[in-house]
Amino acid sequence: QKEVEQNSGPLSVPEGAIASLNCTYSDRGSQSFFWYRQYSGKSPELIMSIYSNGDKEDGRFTAQLNKASQYVSLLIRDSQPSDSATYLCAVPLTGGGADGLTFGKGTHLIIQP
Amino acid sequence: SAVISQKPSRDICQRGTSLTIQCQVDSQVTMMFWYRQQPGQSLTLIATANQGSEATYESGFVIDKFPISRPNLTFSTLTVSNMSPEDSSIYLCSVALAPDTQYFGPGTRLTVL
Repeated sequence: QKEVEQNSGPLSVPEGAIASLNCTYSDRGSQSFFWYRQYSGKSPELIMSIYSNGDKEDGRFTAQLNKASQYVSLLIRDSQPSDSATYLCAVPLTGGGADGLTFGKGTHLIIQP
Repeated sequence: SAVISQKPSRDICQRGTSLTIQCQVDSQVTMMFWYRQQPGQSLTLIATANQGSEATYESGFVIDKFPISRPNLTFSTLTVSNMSPEDSSIYLCSVALAPDTQYFGPGTRLTVL
């Protein structure tokens, strides 16, 4: 059973600062990793996917993957109050491809104006 | 991305009854998934629904309790049978538009009295 671990928070970050969200996973064979954002009362929204070691940037978001340490992170630069949400880390349940996902419990992020 | 709709968006049901949730997507997709999100919790995969074959259920979920239909490439239903208050959750469908890109519908909020 694959496991994904996240600190549930809340993580409080001042507006304009960098928010750093972390995730560890149990299966060393995992090949793809996803970050979803979920606002209260809404469904999860895909923010980033990452497959290779290193950094992947998309606007204010940067995903970082370290397969040796089984660690994936999400950095949000210039944090805005609208970034306040729960951030979910997910990995495919089996071999990847079009596969169901297993999710971490999510980190509740609060951006303080 | 795709436009995914679910019906109903919410419902309040009596113990012992059944509810069928519909998921419609605006493009043809091979893989559709059903998840449950219990109050204050993360998402848990119930089953994978492929057109033309039986749904594949995850550990802890059985067909008698959560029968699924997948009559074509744009539609699926999940039935929650013989409901109890423990079934009160948000039920979400998702689709895989391409390998490793999974998008969620708006969810169905179910309350069982």
